[in-house]
Parts: sequence; structure tokens; C-alpha cells
Amino acid sequence: NAGVMQNPRHLVRRRGQEARLRCSPMKGHSHVYWYRQLPEEGLKFMVYLQKENIIDESGMPKERFSAEFPKEGPSILRIQQVVRGDSAAYFCASSPQRIRLAGDTGELFFGEGSRLTVL
Amino acid sequence: AQKVTQAQTEISVVEKEDVTLDCVYETRDTTYYLFWYKQPPSGELVFLIRRNSFDEQNEISGRYSWNFQKSTSSFNFTITASQVVDSAVYFCALSESGGYQKVTFGTGTKLQVIP
Repeated sequence: NAGVMQNPRHLVRRRGQEARLRCSPMKGHSHVYWYRQLPEEGLKFMVYLQKENIIDESGMPKERFSAEFPKEGPSILRIQQVVRGDSAAYFCASSPQRIRLAGDTGELFFGEGSRLTVL
Repeated sequence: AQKVTQAQTEISVVEKEDVTLDCVYETRDTTYYLFWYKQPPSGELVFLIRRNSFDEQNEISGRYSWNFQKSTSSFNFTITASQVVDSAVYFCALSESGGYQKVTFGTGTKLQVIP
């Protein structure tokens, strides 16, 4: 019963390179969320996706960042032309459905994060 | 807009002491959800609790207890008889009733339990 799987766990890139972070949600989950945690800060919402659809990308930087969740395969967070300020931990979370008012814990199941370091 | 404030940046306690982590939130919604997550030094996020806005009953789970007070918009977390394994960063979080889990996190409180 695998949890949310993120890879790579650690990624080092030089300025200007591309970073691709992958997230496989828990089995049966069709909702994926990406959060970013800058050093010494809390998590900030980036984007919410369902299969083949971006539902809310209000937390995504306008440039260089994109996300997808294809019909088959993991969700991908892509950062083009990385800069030092992109160094952070990127967490993926999944849930089986939208929140209901009762009957579920409302838990977001988080992966262990991908730590991006930009040199 | 929703906001979560954890005013305590770092707390140190000696093992076996009780400690309370404060959380104050802001939201315009009447229906919302509050969470606590633990982030140990290994970095993963561990779900601790979720509360609905219409359920103000306090909750106890072992050495953990939570005090939810809508009148003061607070959702405080108390660890009784702290242990070294409790050392972690604790995040309070809020989600409005938009139908999905767009969660707003506080900046976290780093708890260090000294043996």
C-alpha cells in the first residue's frame, strides 16, 4: 500500500537548467497538489490538478513553472531555467476526492518531498 | 483571504514538560477545516488532526490534545509529558470549504525537547 511517491528526493541543478519533479499519488487518488517549502518557511500552495486538468494554479509563479497530471503516469512539476531562488523542498500531496463535510478525515497524504538545490 | 499565524517560531522544553503550540487563523468562510501537521527532522509531513469549523469539541489523542475556540479563532495544540521524539516542526493549517484541499499553512513552530 504505497503512499505518495516523489522522485527524485534530491536534485541539484545549475542556474539555467531545467528541473523535473515527479509525483505518483496514492493508489486510487485522482487529486494532486503541489506545495513549495522555502528554507525556514511554511508550505505554500502552488497548484491543484486532477487527471488531465489543472483546477487551480493560483500559487504558481507566472513564468518558468508548469505542472501536468496526464491520464497515465505521474504528475510532473517542471521548472525551466532554474534560479537560486527556486531552491526549496517541493511537496506533492494527493487525496481521493474533494472534501466532504463528514465521513473522512480530510487528510492530505503528503510525499516525502523533493529537495531542489540550484547552484 | 485566509491566513494562519503561528507566533512561536521556536520553543525549547525539557523532557516530560507540557508544551502548548499556538495557532490563530483568519477566514471569511463559515465552514472551514483546521489541521496540524508534524515535520520531523527527516522532512516528511505527518498528519496529526483535522477539525471541522462546526465541531468545537476538544480532542485528545494520547499525549496530544487540541483546543479549538472559534470565539478567538484559535486552534492550539498541547503535548503532555513531552518526549525527545516530539522534536519537530509543527504546522497549523487551514482549508476553506471550496471543495478541495487548498490548504494554507502557518510558518511552523520548531519544538525542541531536551533530554
